[in-house]
Amino acid sequence: EVQLVESGGGLVKPGGSLRLSCAASGFTFSSYSMNWVRQAPGKGLEWVSSISSSSSYIYYADSVKGRFTISRDNAKNSLYLQMNSLRAEDTAVYYCARDKYHSGYDSVDYWGQGTLVTVSS
Amino acid sequence: DIQMTQSPSSLSASVGDRVTITCRASQSISSYLNWYQQKPGKAPKLLIYAASSLQSGVPSRFSGSGSGTDFTLTISSLQPEDFATYYCQQSYSTPEFTFGPGTKVDIK
Repeated sequence: EVQLVESGGGLVKPGGSLRLSCAASGFTFSSYSMNWVRQAPGKGLEWVSSISSSSSYIYYADSVKGRFTISRDNAKNSLYLQMNSLRAEDTAVYYCARDKYHSGYDSVDYWGQGTLVTVSS
Repeated sequence: DIQMTQSPSSLSASVGDRVTITCRASQSISSYLNWYQQKPGKAPKLLIYAASSLQSGVPSRFSGSGSGTDFTLTISSLQPEDFATYYCQQSYSTPEFTFGPGTKVDIK
C-alpha cells in the first residue's frame, strides 16, 4: 500500500524557517517524481514544487521561488521542503504527493494526509 | 500562465441526480486535464486523468470528457459519498500544475 506521511508543520513567526518531511512507503520511491501542493485554510489547491526521481529537475511556483527548497533522499525514501523567509500567506496545509506519468500524461495519484503550517506572530 | 476556471462554484443536488461540472482553460491544453475529489479534512483523490481516463478503483459513475479548452466531469447517479469539492487541474505545463478554484457539491 502506498503511504505518504508528512511531518514538520507547526507555528512559526513571519520571517522564520521550517523544514517539512515526507516519508514514503509501499512503492519504489526512487522511480517517481514528487510534488508539494498546499491549501490555505478554506481555499483551493496550489502547486508549490516538484522534483524528478533523481533530483535532476526541480521546479517552483513563482510564489515560493527563492524562499523554498525541495530535496529528496532516495536512500531514505524521503522528500523534504525547506521553507525560509516565511510569510503569513504561506499558511496552509502542505501535501506531499506522488506524480503519476502514464502515456505522456501527468497527474498526482497519491497524496499524504497533509501537515499544517501556520505563519503568525 | 494557464488559468483554470470552473462552473458552477457550487451546486446542490439529490442522491441519484446526474451532475455535470465544467472546467475551462485559458488556452488549449489538449487532453492534459485531471479531476480530483476532496472531502473536508481529507487529501484530494485522483478521479480522472488525461481528460477521460478513469483512475483505478474509481467508480464508473464518474466520467470525464473534453479537449482543447473545455472539459466536463459527469457523475451519472450521485451517491451519498460523492458530496465533496471537485477540482480540475491542467498538466499541459507540467510540472507547473494549475488547479481550478473548485466546485462544491452538497445535498439539496
